[in-house]
Amino acid sequence: GAGVSQSPSNKVTEKGKDVELRCDPISGHTALYWYRQSLGQGLEFLIYFQGNSAPDKSGLPSDRFSAERTGGSVSTLTIQRTQQEDSAVYLCASSLGFRGQETQYFGPGTRLLVL
Amino acid sequence: EDKVVQSPLSLVVHEGDTVTLNCSYEVTNFRSLLWYKQEKKAPTFLFMLTSSGIEKKSGRLSSILDKKELFSILNITATQTGDSAIYLCAVDRNYGQNFVFGPGTRLSVLP
Repeated sequence: GAGVSQSPSNKVTEKGKDVELRCDPISGHTALYWYRQSLGQGLEFLIYFQGNSAPDKSGLPSDRFSAERTGGSVSTLTIQRTQQEDSAVYLCASSLGFRGQETQYFGPGTRLLVL
Repeated sequence: EDKVVQSPLSLVVHEGDTVTLNCSYEVTNFRSLLWYKQEKKAPTFLFMLTSSGIEKKSGRLSSILDKKELFSILNITATQTGDSAIYLCAVDRNYGQNFVFGPGTRLSVLP
């Protein structure tokens, strides 16, 4: 497809379980971003990848959150021992990743509900 | 602490009205300012502004940046119900490596 895709679109899990969210960026986009948006809140930056490396992990809210990217393409965001406050829409975005081409294109998001 | 503030947080208008949305920022390393429209889940890109005083325009939407006073405005003329959305302002702090978003302005356009 031409756009950023994310899976699953919805995920319901029980408190304490681990979840894995997937993002497929636009082909050729070297930069990839993860955000989350809690109900009624603005976007919260989580992590940024340039290629497979993440130079900026400052936004990850706790050590239960981790992310990886392989082959400069697909990325997974993992949340371990989920808590109810992790419930949010998790958005992924990608961009060409070089100066002057920072415009981000967003995926449809994964809505996570932790019961 | 870096922050992006948007006002108003919520706005209700009627079709045909003109609206002005505001975004002000305090960041230590400003590179550019971006506007997004969010209707359901995913924001869609509207404008990227890097220089003061140069208006970006797309149809009924336009935006301008003032780097001296640290703000930007987004104008929508002749509003339509399809303009109803949350409008997000974001500041790029490091050439695409680190963004901070404002809380958004929820615009409702009534028929």
